[in-house]
Amino acid sequence: GESVGLHLPTLSVQEGDNSIINCAYSNSASDYFIWYKQESGKGPQFIIDIRSNMDKRQGQRVTVLLNKTVKHLSLQIAATQPGDSAVYFCAENLHNFGNEKLTFGTGTRLTIIP
Amino acid sequence: DTGVSQDPRHKITKRGQNVTFRCDPISEHNRLYWYRQTLGQGPEFLTYFQNEAQLEKSRLLSDRFSAERPKGSFSTLEIQRTEQGDSAMYLCASSLEWQIYQGSYNEQFFGPGTRLTVL
Repeated sequence: GESVGLHLPTLSVQEGDNSIINCAYSNSASDYFIWYKQESGKGPQFIIDIRSNMDKRQGQRVTVLLNKTVKHLSLQIAATQPGDSAVYFCAENLHNFGNEKLTFGTGTRLTIIP
Repeated sequence: DTGVSQDPRHKITKRGQNVTFRCDPISEHNRLYWYRQTLGQGPEFLTYFQNEAQLEKSRLLSDRFSAERPKGSFSTLEIQRTEQGDSAMYLCASSLEWQIYQGSYNEQFFGPGTRLTVL
């Protein structure tokens, strides 16, 4: 039933600490990846993206790491703030093969403890 | 607000009724996507348009679902004979494909969604 889907992986982090959210993607042919943040009742919000020819990309307070060998993505958020509390999704895309859909992972709920 | 907008934000309907949702993408974006999201899950792809052409449809999109983008701008998603299993958040996203170096990016910007409840 619906309750199964409510049990998202969760991560609780003290305000000001760094957080790392992990994601395993499914398709070794995926060549573009995005991290989205979704707050309750809102649509996903773009955070940062990375192409498969890179292994690291940095934004403002966020860093995405890509390990293609083990099909793993991580999102690092530095100096977390209360506004970072949300569900975070990774998404993969196979656009170079004419397939334009994003395939989303399960999501991780990040809670910032004041 | 120059982001993706969706209307209505909430829709409650009785089983068997038809519903239609609207999405207005970011104005210069040539691609428009529909996704469905159920509670606690990530969005699932339904279909996408490049300009007015519908280029891909998921197997999730049964024959009760139809999407249009008649002028390559706004899009509508219609669900006929709604069922309780259709209850979900319906998300629209848009993007502008642009070529850079060896490939193209597909950064999709999402709207706030339409939450459908079928009683």
